[in-house]
Amino acid sequence: DAGVIQSPRHEVTEMGQEVTLRCKPISGHDYLFWYRQTMMRGLELLIYFNNNVPIDDSGMPEDRFSAKMPNASFSTLKIQPSEPRDSAVYFCASSHSTGLGSYNEQFFGPGTRLTVL
Amino acid sequence: KQEVTQIPAALSVPEGENLVLNCSFTDSAIYNLQWFRQDPGKGLTSLLLIQSSQREQTSGRLNASLDKSSGRSTLYIAASQPGDSATYLCAVRGGNYGQNFVFGPGTRLSVLP
Repeated sequence: DAGVIQSPRHEVTEMGQEVTLRCKPISGHDYLFWYRQTMMRGLELLIYFNNNVPIDDSGMPEDRFSAKMPNASFSTLKIQPSEPRDSAVYFCASSHSTGLGSYNEQFFGPGTRLTVL
Repeated sequence: KQEVTQIPAALSVPEGENLVLNCSFTDSAIYNLQWFRQDPGKGLTSLLLIQSSQREQTSGRLNASLDKSSGRSTLYIAASQPGDSATYLCAVRGGNYGQNFVFGPGTRLSVLP
């Protein structure tokens, strides 16, 4: 398996522009997570999906952020409009559950480094 | 609210030394704890996952232990090598139905040749 795939790897945009980050989870994984990493705040969970359904989006910072998972092999994180403080590395991760409250390890993608000027 | 801390924040050791990294969490009601390494400018690589019912996990030169009642986990690295230089993060999964994921700030390890 190719692992978790993210695109683009780097994105530079101007304030006010729409940004769309993409993720393809590992095949067969039923959980998908979006994280943001900054020097100041470390790694923060933004939202996660189970079987394509958003379960907890309490980490999404503002209404400017939205995430979708139209099918089991694709998810997007959109920022509209973008602001300089959104500059960070955004990671996607996936895992699968074995039921009965047992959760397996998360596998991370390489991340998208976003710079908003 | 779950809080995860890691001590030390940075560590520098000579090659060949055994070392221990620490992770503490405030809420012992967790499903599992996972250790990752992150190389500069890269994503996170999973090292070990310990389920809440387990006490330790081993993989090669790595051994992770979990003491849920005291809210602690340690990552033991035996015979350290320069290639082990990276930032090591621990993460706990908790919440009523496993919905909470909290990462520690990481320990930056440098192994000197």
